[in-house]
Amino acid sequence: GENVEQHPSTLSVQEGDSAVIKCTYSDSASNYFPWYKQELGKGPQLIIDIRSNVGEKKDQRIAVTLNKTAKHFSLHITETQPEDSAVYFCAALNAGGTSYGKLTFGQGTILTVHP
Amino acid sequence: NAGVMQNPRHLVRRRGQEARLRCSPMKGHSHVYWYRQLPEEGLKFMVYLQKENIIDESGMPKERFSAEFPKEGPSILRIQQVVRGDSAAYFCASSPLGGGWQYFGPGTRLTVT
Repeated sequence: GENVEQHPSTLSVQEGDSAVIKCTYSDSASNYFPWYKQELGKGPQLIIDIRSNVGEKKDQRIAVTLNKTAKHFSLHITETQPEDSAVYFCAALNAGGTSYGKLTFGQGTILTVHP
Repeated sequence: NAGVMQNPRHLVRRRGQEARLRCSPMKGHSHVYWYRQLPEEGLKFMVYLQKENIIDESGMPKERFSAEFPKEGPSILRIQQVVRGDSAAYFCASSPLGGGWQYFGPGTRLTVT
């Protein structure tokens, strides 16, 4: 089955700096990669996603890059703000496989943005 | 447009009791997924359902756990004879189609005493 590794487990930055979180996946058939933000006591919120036919996607201060050959993808947050502080999860899914509803999540990254 | 709704938000059960967790998907969504999050861990897939069908239950423990998504009403995750190791946050997600974005509810935090 799919295995997703996420690094770092904690990340501390100053307000205004950039933050980068990296994930690797094992199943080359995975073709959909969402990122979720989870605040304390709440459910995960989808913030950006990318499909395997695209190498990069950007939405305001957030961007995701995908390297299919190396089987890794990254989340980039620029101009960080204190409200970006949360736990971030990457995930992978094979949209065309028999488990096409099963998201496999990374272990999470606790991001802290200091004012 | 209301999001995914889960209730109860917090549930306390004694060992041996039954826990019933409910999930109402977003309007227009017919695909429902259940995930479990143990303390300080990531989310683990449990089961994927469409109306009246279980599509993938590869993440469900073989015993004591069951899920349904009837034609009418919410999806139900049932845990029979709960044990302390069942204490976790249980999240439901929904999507309009399979194989794509999943929108999560606020979760049910189950505590077994």
